[in-house]
Order: sequence, then C-alpha cells, then structure tokens
Amino acid sequence: DAKTTQPTSMDCAEGRAANLPCNHSTISGNEYVYWYRQIHSQGPQYIIHGLKNNETNEMASLIITEDRKSSTLILPHATLRDTAVYYCIVTGYQKVTFGTGTKLQVIP
Amino acid sequence: DAGVIQSPRHEVTEMGQEVTLRCKPISGHNSLFWYRQTMMRGLELLIYFNNNVPIDDSGMPEDRFSAKMPNASFSTLKIQPSEPRDSAVYFCASSFMGGTNEKLFFGSGTQLSVL
Repeated sequence: DAKTTQPTSMDCAEGRAANLPCNHSTISGNEYVYWYRQIHSQGPQYIIHGLKNNETNEMASLIITEDRKSSTLILPHATLRDTAVYYCIVTGYQKVTFGTGTKLQVIP
Repeated sequence: DAGVIQSPRHEVTEMGQEVTLRCKPISGHNSLFWYRQTMMRGLELLIYFNNNVPIDDSGMPEDRFSAKMPNASFSTLKIQPSEPRDSAVYFCASSFMGGTNEKLFFGSGTQLSVL
C-alpha cells in the first residue's frame, strides 16, 4: 500500500469547516483513498472513500487532486463530537494498514 | 446487524498465562483483520484472513501469538505465554473484499492487561 503523510494535529473552531489534508504521492492507479476516524478508545469508524472523483456523504466530503497525489477530508460544520484521530489510508488490496493519523481537536 | 463482536471487553491476566481473544465478524463478510493498538506503536495490523484463510501474518510479533479462523463466523487470537509488553487494546475488524467499497467495520476492542 502507498504511504500517506498527515499533520500530527489540528484545531478547528466549533461550527467551522475542518479541512484535513493527506499526501499520498506514491499512490497507484487502482488504489483507493479511505478515511477513518477513532474517537477516544473506540474502534476506528469508516468515514468516506474515493478513487479519483470527489465524494460526499452524510458525514464528510472528500476532495482528491487531479493527479491523485493528495486529498482533503472536509467536515463542513465541525462539532465537539468530531474531536478524534483521523486516518487517511491508501489501499487497493486486502492489506489495510494505519499510520499515525491527525488528531483533530474541535474547540468550543 | 450487531456489528463485529469481540470478547472479552477487558482481560487482566498474569505473565505466563494463556490469553484467548475472540471475534465474531459481520455475517456475509469474507475478510477479517486483527489489530493491536498501543500509545507507542499506534494501530498495528497483526494478521488478516480472507475466506477463513490467513493471507498475511507478517505483523504477528512472535511465535507466542497465533490466530485461527475455523469458520466464517468466528476467529481467535491467542497469546501463549503472555508478557507485560503484550498489554494493549486488540481490535478485530471485518469487511467484504471484492467490491468497490471495502470498508472495515471494527469491534469495540479487548483491553488486555498483563501483570
């Protein structure tokens, strides 16, 4: 799987959009970008995924650059419950490995 | 659907004892993953199965660790003998691999403390 690079931590004001970046410059043509988050000590939770088009669901939006070397997860209106560690993963095969992620702190 | 079910939620044992962690994946899923999470090493993939067959166990730390999946609805991760450095949260996850959305569903984890 391609390696990903994410900032260690970020802050976001409650009610504002949270934009979490991820670099995956070695991504292959058949690899997808997945985002998960882990709240406190719970198991990671799937958020969204995409191949090359931008995606949106009830939780977030995913913007993938045209060259697919980076992506941004957008939480449109962050709440305190969005405080978590966010993981960006690139995978096209069965093996799914997690990096260190970005710790997002939503501030009241 | 009850989701991925792990047991026990918490396990406290003494060094040298055998520990068995259990996982019931979501019905219909064909892949199962075991992860270990610690503050120092983060979330590590230990082993994963596809159609009950172990595909990659390169993350298993040493021979003290073993995992089995005797059928599509049950898997175990065994540590024998256990050591204090095995203390961690162990997560099981399942997925359906082969479609366009291979998202993982995680269980609530087993908090293991080896004294």
